[in-house]
Amino acid sequence: QKEVEQDPGPLSVPEGAIVSLNCTYSNSAFQYFMWYRQYSRKGPELLMYTYSSGNKEDGRFTAQVDKSSKYISLFIRDSQPSDSATYLCAMTTGNQFYFGTGTSLTVIP
Amino acid sequence: DTGVSQDPRHKITKRGQNVTFRCDPISEHNRLYWYRQTLGQGPEFLTYFQNEAQLEKSRLLSDRFSAERPKGSFSTLEIQRTEQGDSAMYLCASSVGYEQYFGPGTRLTVT
Repeated sequence: QKEVEQDPGPLSVPEGAIVSLNCTYSNSAFQYFMWYRQYSRKGPELLMYTYSSGNKEDGRFTAQVDKSSKYISLFIRDSQPSDSATYLCAMTTGNQFYFGTGTSLTVIP
Repeated sequence: DTGVSQDPRHKITKRGQNVTFRCDPISEHNRLYWYRQTLGQGPEFLTYFQNEAQLEKSRLLSDRFSAERPKGSFSTLEIQRTEQGDSAMYLCASSVGYEQYFGPGTRLTVT
């Protein structure tokens, strides 16, 4: 079983839609959770960083962590064509980081 | 630009050759990480430094791979006797806490 599972998509939505991206994990020791955005042939860019359970909002982005279900989500409101990218979840207990496979998102104008 | 930089950006090598990549982290970051990413996959952890000390190394990492961070600043990743399966994007990231900032990557092609 992989440490982190993420639906690879692809996901295609119209501009303005609300997007929901999700990851599940198996290691209950994970405490720090991140979401990255990666454009083709570029390095990942940190979007959101959360610690423990709860919600965190930053502009159009909301990150949600449910440790009891071992489930994290990223919501994108009012999606824009520039949001088209691959979204990666990541988590860590401390030194090693584990990434999902990424979800490919296309926002259609 | 004060972000993470990596050199070279692209490397084509023949099977059996050795290659070395360099990473320059954000200057105040004491943590440095190396990852490998193949098409359609997320980054796979290779190794982690805190200052000059290599504190973690993936058990999946072949002994053909070695990394150094001699003065706690830049780091190098060397792959000896490259194989076609080593073809991938090699990413470096740095951080102070757990918020990692990635460089643009070095794309390695082994022919």
